[in-house]
Parts: sequence; C-alpha cells; structure tokens
Amino acid sequence: EAAVTQSPRNKVAVTGGKVTLSCNQTNNHNNMYWYRQDTGHGLRLIHYSYGAGSTEKGDIPDGYKASRPSQENFSLILELATPSQTSVYFCASGDTLYAEQFFGPGTRLTVL
Amino acid sequence: QQQVRQSPQSLTVWEGETAILNCSYENSAFDYFPWYQQFPGEGPALLISILSVSDKKEDGRFTIFFNKREKKLSLHIADSQPGDSATYFCAASENNNAPRFGAGTKLSVKP
Repeated sequence: EAAVTQSPRNKVAVTGGKVTLSCNQTNNHNNMYWYRQDTGHGLRLIHYSYGAGSTEKGDIPDGYKASRPSQENFSLILELATPSQTSVYFCASGDTLYAEQFFGPGTRLTVL
Repeated sequence: QQQVRQSPQSLTVWEGETAILNCSYENSAFDYFPWYQQFPGEGPALLISILSVSDKKEDGRFTIFFNKREKKLSLHIADSQPGDSATYFCAASENNNAPRFGAGTKLSVKP
C-alpha cells in the first residue's frame, strides 16, 4: 500500500480558477514537501512543512499557498491558476535529519 | 538559481559499461547528498546517499564519489543494465532543511 498518495492524479483547470492539490501520508513523518517538476529544471521546492500547523516557503512560492492541517495531510493551493503553473507536482514526506524522502505518484496539472 | 547542478543532461551507454553522472553544488553548508532514481510516470525513489564526512559510498553496482573541497560528487553505475534507464537526480541538504534537487540526468542504457 502506497505511503504517500496524491489527489487528483490529473487536473485540467482554467486560468484564474482555484486549484487544490492534496497529499496524504501514512508514514507518520513530521516533514512534508511540495515540488514541481519541469523539463530542464528538475524538482523545484515550492513549500514545505515541519509538522501540523506549520508551512515554510521554498524556492518558488509565488502564486502558491500551502496548508498542513494534520500530520497526515498537506495541501497546495493555487488561488488564481495561470498557464505557467502547468506542471507535474510531487508531494513527499520525510523524517528529520538526513532522512529519505518518500514521494507520491505526482499530479499532472494543466492550466488552460 | 539552481543550488545543485548536474551534468550531463542526458547520457547513453551500452549495456555492461559504467555510467558516470556528475553533480556540483554551491552551498558549502550542505552535508547530506542523496541520489534519487525516477522512472517515467512515477515519483522519484531514493537510490543511494552519502554524508559529507565520507568520500565514498558503495551499494552494489552504485557508487558515490564525493570531493568536499571541490564541492563535487559523482554517481558511478557499474555494469549498466537496460533496467537502469531512468532519470537520476542529485539532491543536497543541510541539517533538517528541505533538500534541493538538480535538474537531473536522463540515462539510457542500450542492450
């Protein structure tokens, strides 16, 4: 059974619309992360969290919000989606210090 | 600004050869360097990792060589197999900060 799940797996949104990407982990890890993957850029860090109620900005946070309501759940919110946010989004969880990150299967988002 | 750089962007080797993937970084405070392997349609998965106190880490056919002074490391895949065809990401982190990833190297192993 997958320890990190993401929903939806595919999403088509319209420009200006609100999009919420959800992530759930059953690893009981404190840390969770959101990355986007684009050709030529690899994985870029958007937001991350050290535990329930905490969110931190990553390297490319503009246009994104994050929410960590519980240990298990971490959401990425695009309040006003733009075509430049078309990408594949990965959620990951990890324990503290020098720990392996466990990635979800990804969400492919297309903003038209 | 990419904190972690990888080269080459793509690499093709024949089955049985050793593939060498390179990585360099800017932040001298980075002390943990994992390599992740990603197959198409999947999320990345940890392959092997090294701490900056070591200069070499082996796990079967996979070896990391680390040069702290030059802020460079490399992943060597010995006796490459077609099943090793994937994208490989070098990442780096310090303390409990979020890992930063390079742009990846796409490896193709021809039978």
